[in-house]
Amino acid sequence: DAMVIQNPRYQVTQFGKPVTLSCSQTLNHNVMYWYQQKSSQAPKLLFHYYDKDFNNEADTPDNFQSRRPNTSFCFLDIRSPGLGDAAMYLCATSRGPGEAFFGQGTRLTVV
Amino acid sequence: AQTVTQSQPEMSVQEAETVTLSCTYDTSESDYYLFWYKQPPSRQMILVIRQEAYKQQNATENRFSVNFQKAAKSFSLKISDSQLGDAAMYFCAFPPWGSQGNLIFGKGTKLSVKP
Repeated sequence: DAMVIQNPRYQVTQFGKPVTLSCSQTLNHNVMYWYQQKSSQAPKLLFHYYDKDFNNEADTPDNFQSRRPNTSFCFLDIRSPGLGDAAMYLCATSRGPGEAFFGQGTRLTVV
Repeated sequence: AQTVTQSQPEMSVQEAETVTLSCTYDTSESDYYLFWYKQPPSRQMILVIRQEAYKQQNATENRFSVNFQKAAKSFSLKISDSQLGDAAMYFCAFPPWGSQGNLIFGKGTKLSVKP
């Protein structure tokens, strides 16, 4: 089945140690998104790619970066994770402004 | 600013009964999508139902239906014959102006289903 897959499902990292979360899709969608979702809150968009064009939200900290080497893969890099970065990170895809398909998320713990 | 408001942080329904979750939004656009997403505990977010603003007919997907009031900017979700598997967080969402597909989410409503 076509889907959005995030790896790993759970990630524990040390304070200040760089970490990378990955997302892959078999839907061939042109848009990929990264959302941050903290406990009992709505998802908050960090950035998205429209094809190869990177779009950063104005309030996304510089500590967060992303790479999209090809249509299928997208990575979220956190350069120096702080305790406040502990959250669920959701990857999603869409074909333009329509329905978004979400992965299962990566729960990041910072120790 | 474009916003989505869900005024019910938590709702509870008896199994087999009907429940309505409320959502209001603010936009100056005339054509847009509106979505309801379901997020079960520790599971992925999935689309429940979608409404296109230019369509007057309310969307329906099996037990799920919406009451879309464009002038009032209201988009409520009705769940009929509630099942235990319906227990989840429900988010109302829509793409803001100029969006390439990214969504603005409401704060969510946590639905509990009592057996």
